[in-house]
This record gives sequence, C-alpha cells and structure tokens, in this order.
Amino acid sequence: QQKVQQSPESLIVPEGGMASLNCTSSDRNVDYFWWYRQHSGKSPKMLMSIFSNGEKEEGRFTVHLNKASLHTSLHIRDSQPSDSALYLCAASLNYNQGKLIFGQGTKLSIKP
Amino acid sequence: EAAVTQSPRNKVAVTGGKVTLSCNQTNNHNNMYWYRQDTGHGLRLIHYSYGAGSTEKGDIPDGYKASRPSQENFSLILELATPSQTSVYFCASGAGVAETLYFGSGTRLTVL
Repeated sequence: QQKVQQSPESLIVPEGGMASLNCTSSDRNVDYFWWYRQHSGKSPKMLMSIFSNGEKEEGRFTVHLNKASLHTSLHIRDSQPSDSALYLCAASLNYNQGKLIFGQGTKLSIKP
Repeated sequence: EAAVTQSPRNKVAVTGGKVTLSCNQTNNHNNMYWYRQDTGHGLRLIHYSYGAGSTEKGDIPDGYKASRPSQENFSLILELATPSQTSVYFCASGAGVAETLYFGSGTRLTVL
C-alpha cells in the first residue's frame, strides 16, 4: 500500500497558467514533506521542503502543508515550458527520519 | 554541488546472473539509499544505510542485498537477477534527518 499518494497522475497546463499538485499521506507518523522535480531522463532534484503548518513561497513556487490532514500541495504560477517534468512528493516518518518515502509522481506538461 | 556517481550507466544482464550496481559519494554524507523507479510507482526504497558497515531494509528488499564498506561507497547486489528487476536504479545520499537527498544519474538495468 502506497503511504504517499499524489494527484493528479498527469496534468496539462497552458504556458503562463497555474499548476496545482497534491500529495497526501495515509500514515499518521509522517513528519516532514519534500517536493522533488525530475526532468525527463534526469535524476530527481529537491525543489522545496516544508516541515510545519502553513505556506512557503520561493519565486513562482508555493507549497502548503496541513499537518492535521497530512496534505501538502505545490502551486506553480506563470508556468513555463521548462517546468514540464515529473514532480515527486516525499515524506519521512517521525520514528525513522532517515527513511524517505516517495509518491508515484505527477507528470506536468506545460503547453506553449 | 553534492556529488553522487553511479556505475555502470547501463547494464544488460541474463536471468540468473549476478549483478552489482555501485555508488560513490564525495559529500561525506552519513546516509545512502538505493531506489528503483518504474512507471506508475515513483521511487521505491530498496535498501539504505546510516553509515559504514550498516544496511537497512527498505520497502522492497526481496531479491536484493546491499553493502556499505565505507562512508563513500554503497553497492546494490542482485545475486540471481530476474526480468522483474528490469528498472532504473537511483542511488542517493543525505546528511541526515530532514536533509535534502542528492541523487546519482541512475543505472538502467535490463534483465533478459
């Protein structure tokens, strides 16, 4: 059973539009969340992390976290073709924080 | 930029053969990980390590062994390779709790 679930599986957004990606954990022991981005044929790279309730903004990227519902979301405004990639949500457990669990990913395509 | 190097980049093996995937990091990170990536499954954790001499089972350890002989090196061993182990394998390193993971470029393994 997947402990970290992402939705949607795939998403097409017009250039300049807003992309919204979701991630939820089914494990109440999840503590910290990350978002990684993986361009086609490349390795994943950390995009943003969020450890406490609320919102964090870095440039065009905003991440939200609701710890009560174990839900995090990533929002990309003014989407660019270079944002086309697989976005992976990751979470660590409070009793084993060295172990990072990934969701299945959301494939984002930005249409020029 | 943290450096994680995997070898080989591509590997073709025969069913029942032994395969060793190697990973080297120059970041002096304590934690190292082996993941496999298949379409629709995101990244799944096979084995991980907290330091030289230690290995831990991840979520899908069956059919795989791991070895961490030094801080820098972490190997994944398939004693009897099967076609179901055809996948892309990523090695990663991290400094510790709540720290970013840095990934290698991946090894594409095909078992015929």
